Amino acid sequence: DAGVIQSPRHEVTEMGQEVTLRCKPISGHDYLFWYRQTMMRGLELLIYFNNNVPIDDSGMPEDRFSAKMPNASFSTLKIQPSEPRDSAVYFCASIGRSEAFFGQGTRLTVV
Amino acid sequence: AQSVTQPDIHITVSEGASLELRCNYSYGATPYLFWYVQSPGQGLQLLLKYFSGDTLVQGIKGFEAEFKRSQSSFNLRKPSVHWSDAAEYFCAVVANNAGNMLTFGGGTRLMVKP
Repeated sequence: DAGVIQSPRHEVTEMGQEVTLRCKPISGHDYLFWYRQTMMRGLELLIYFNNNVPIDDSGMPEDRFSAKMPNASFSTLKIQPSEPRDSAVYFCASIGRSEAFFGQGTRLTVV
Repeated sequence: AQSVTQPDIHITVSEGASLELRCNYSYGATPYLFWYVQSPGQGLQLLLKYFSGDTLVQGIKGFEAEFKRSQSSFNLRKPSVHWSDAAEYFCAVVANNAGNMLTFGGGTRLMVKP
């Protein structure tokens, strides 16, 4: 297995633009988490899914953020419209079979 | 709700010295416990995990951790630190009765003096 795959690795966008982050979890894992990491706030849980169903989205900061998991092998996190304060590293984590692995993250810069 | 506390925000040790990073959790039963390491600009790498059985678990890079139920702790140790161990370390908990939510401590930044 190639592990948790996130794309893109880096994204630079202008304020107001839509941004879509992607995650491919490890096959067979039934939980998927989206985290945001900044120097000021550390790691923040945004949302997590179990068997493709959102379980807890209380960490999603605003309505500008949305996440989907249309199938077991793919999830997206969308920000529309993006703002400079959304600049952070966004991580996806995949949990199952007594394992918990992270992707390499997407570094988002909104200018 | 479960919580994870890493009391030490920064720790500095000399190369070759021993290391212990503290982690305490708040949860009614035995959770799944993890330690991750993050080097600057990198993602989180799993060092080790505990689910059940032997309370002393061995991980990669010479790290080990001991689960102590009575103290609700899962401290990370290494007998001899190398300069390349300088990084941020995160303790994490998965609580089975909370929808398997993965909760992190605030992290401990380790600096290694030559």
